[in-house]
Amino acid sequence: AQKITQTQPGMFVQEKEAVTLDCTYDTSDPSYGLFWYKQPSSGEMIFLIYQGSYDQQNATEGRYSLNFQKARKSANLVISASQLGDSAMYFCAMRERNTGRRALTFGSGTRLQVQP
Amino acid sequence: EAQVTQNPRYLITVTGKKLTVTCSQNMNHEYMSWYRQDPGLGLRQIYYSMNVEVTDKGDVPEGYKVSRKEKRNFPLILESPSPNQTSLYFCASSLYPGEETQYFGPGTRLLVL
Repeated sequence: AQKITQTQPGMFVQEKEAVTLDCTYDTSDPSYGLFWYKQPSSGEMIFLIYQGSYDQQNATEGRYSLNFQKARKSANLVISASQLGDSAMYFCAMRERNTGRRALTFGSGTRLQVQP
Repeated sequence: EAQVTQNPRYLITVTGKKLTVTCSQNMNHEYMSWYRQDPGLGLRQIYYSMNVEVTDKGDVPEGYKVSRKEKRNFPLILESPSPNQTSLYFCASSLYPGEETQYFGPGTRLLVL
């Protein structure tokens, strides 16, 4: 079963507008972390934001915020005031604390294009 | 500067010629991992290491070897590369296993002819 689902293969947004990238997850581990990474066309994986399963508040990092709805198992990324440099692939990922490998499980990604 | 470095960044090789991709981190992280990224398949874990001398298989370990003799280094070895190992490879590390953020190296693009 898919552990991380990103249902939007591609998104367009106008510069300076906000955009929400969807992510739902599935786990039976009560302790886990949720992450968003950005991958520009140059290929590197850039960490954006982290939310722990026990965190009460939604995580924020500058223009990025994570809308964490635990009961719905969703962890959407909100980018405010989009910039042209935000055009990239965005991956949602989860890391379960109580599994042996501690691997990140990634979604299939959303390609965001910011238009001037 | 805190970082994960990988070398080489780009590599073209031929089937069967042994190669090593190096990975080094300067953050004193205990946990290190290798992933490969393929179109349509996303990122998949190859091997991981909880600490020095402790390594184990990930989702797709066939055709790869690793070693962790020092905390900072975690090389990926392809003893006899094949074309199906053409991929984008990432090394990643985190302070501890668990929920903590994994930081990625810049990636190594490998083409096996």
